[in-house]
Amino acid sequence: AQSVTQLGSHVSVSEGALVLLRCNYSSSVPPYLFWYVQYPNQGLQLLLKYTSAATLVKGINGFEAEFKKSETSFHLTKPSAHMSDAAEYFCAVSDSTGNQFYFGTGTSLTVIP
Amino acid sequence: DAGVTQSPTHLIKTRGQHVTLRCSPISGHKSVSWYQQVLGQGPQFIFQYYEKEERGRGNFPDRFSARQFPNYSSELNVNALLLGDSALYLCASSLGGTGPTDTQYFGPGTRLTVL
Repeated sequence: AQSVTQLGSHVSVSEGALVLLRCNYSSSVPPYLFWYVQYPNQGLQLLLKYTSAATLVKGINGFEAEFKKSETSFHLTKPSAHMSDAAEYFCAVSDSTGNQFYFGTGTSLTVIP
Repeated sequence: DAGVTQSPTHLIKTRGQHVTLRCSPISGHKSVSWYQQVLGQGPQFIFQYYEKEERGRGNFPDRFSARQFPNYSSELNVNALLLGDSALYLCASSLGGTGPTDTQYFGPGTRLTVL
C-alpha cells in the first residue's frame, strides 16, 4: 500500500528565505510522487511530479523536489520565498495503476514579510 | 481550454437529505476522480471513473455513489447526509489509461455544508 507523511503541519519562513517542505513516502512498488498547492478557497494545482525519469524534478513557480530512495523522501524546496507562496501544500503518491491518489495531511506555508 | 468545472460552488443541506454534485472534465480527458477534503485535512479518494466504468473506490460508505456520462462528465451522489459529510468535494480529471503517471487536474470544488 502507498502512503505519504508530511512532517510539519505549519511552516513559517521569511520572505527571501529557503522554503523546505518535507514529505516521506511508503510504497511497496516504485512510487510516483506529486506535489500540489492549494490557495484559499481554490482547488489543487500541480506543482511537479516524479515519474522516475530524473531524481531532481523542477516544477512551476521556482519549486523543485528531489527523490531520495535511500531516505524514502520527496522534499519540496524553493531557494527564495515570495509572499505569493503562502498556501497549503500537499504531497501525494499514486497507486501502481494510477487509479487512486493518496494525499498527505498538508503543510501550511506562511511567508513573513 | 477551460479547466475542470464543478457545480454548484456552495451547497447547504440538512441531515438526511441527498445531494448531487456535478463535474465537467477538461476537454479530451476521459477519467474523473472524486475526493472529499475535510477542513484541515488532505483530500481523501472517493471514486475514479474511466470510460464510464468505475476503476477505483475509496473507503466510503454505500451512501456515496457516482457515475460518468458518455460526454465524460460525472455526478457524485450522497444519500442520507450526515453532519460529517460537510466538506469540500473536489473533482479531478485526467487523460486516463496511462497508468500511475497520469496527472490529475483539479476543479475548484463544491463546498457542502450539512446542518
